[in-house]
Amino acid sequence: DAGVIQSPRHEVTEMGQEVTLRCKPISGHNSLFWYRQTMMRGLELLIYFNNNVPIDDSGMPEDRFSAKMPNASFSTLKIQPSEPRDSAVYFCASSLNEGLGGYTFGSGTRLTVV
Amino acid sequence: LAKTTQPISMDSYEGQEVNITCSHNNIATNDYITWYQQFPSQGPRFIIQGYKTKVTNEVASLFIPADRKSSTLSLPRVSLSDTAVYYCLVGPGGSQGNLIFGKGTKLSVKP
Repeated sequence: DAGVIQSPRHEVTEMGQEVTLRCKPISGHNSLFWYRQTMMRGLELLIYFNNNVPIDDSGMPEDRFSAKMPNASFSTLKIQPSEPRDSAVYFCASSLNEGLGGYTFGSGTRLTVV
Repeated sequence: LAKTTQPISMDSYEGQEVNITCSHNNIATNDYITWYQQFPSQGPRFIIQGYKTKVTNEVASLFIPADRKSSTLSLPRVSLSDTAVYYCLVGPGGSQGNLIFGKGTKLSVKP
C-alpha cells in the first residue's frame, strides 16, 4: 500500500493565482480529511468527507477555499485567489469508517504564496 | 468534542522511559483516546489508541484510569529518533467524527 498520496510536495505561487492541491486516499478508506498546519495555528481541520460527501466544512477559512471529492480515490483542495497568508503545509488524511486505528496522513504539500 | 491538555514540552535522555500525560476531563462515553507522533516536515503518524485500562503495541503503551479523565502515553527506552511532537486526541472511534489537534507535546531526547 502506497499510503495517502499528495501532490505536489511543494508549490510556490504568486498572490492572486489559483492553486490546486491533490490527494489520493488509501484504497478502501471512505473518510478523507484536509488539514492545514502553520507555526502559529498548529494543525487545523479544514474539511472532511465521508463516502465522498462533505460532512463538515466549518474549518474552511473563507470562500476562496473549496474542496471536492468526485470519487473515492481522489480529492482536491483549491484556493482561488491565493494570498500570502495561505502559506502553510496542507495535509490530507484518510481513514476507515467502521474500524478503529486512527487516520493515515499524507506527506503534505508545502505551499508558499509570494 | 472533548478538549485535551498536555505539557507543551518535555526533555529526556536516551534509554529512559518517557511518560506523557494528557487530561481530558470532558471525555464522552463513546470517545476513544488516540495518540499521534509528528516529525518535522512529515504528517502525523498514528501511534496508539485505547478506550480503557491499558493498551500496548510494539511502539508504546497507553494507560487509561477507570474514570478516563486522563491518559498516559508511555514510550519505553527512548532514542534520539523519538524526538518529535506527540498529540493526544479524544473523539469518537474510527472516523465517526473529526479529530481536533491541540498544540501537542514537543519531546526532545538528548544523548
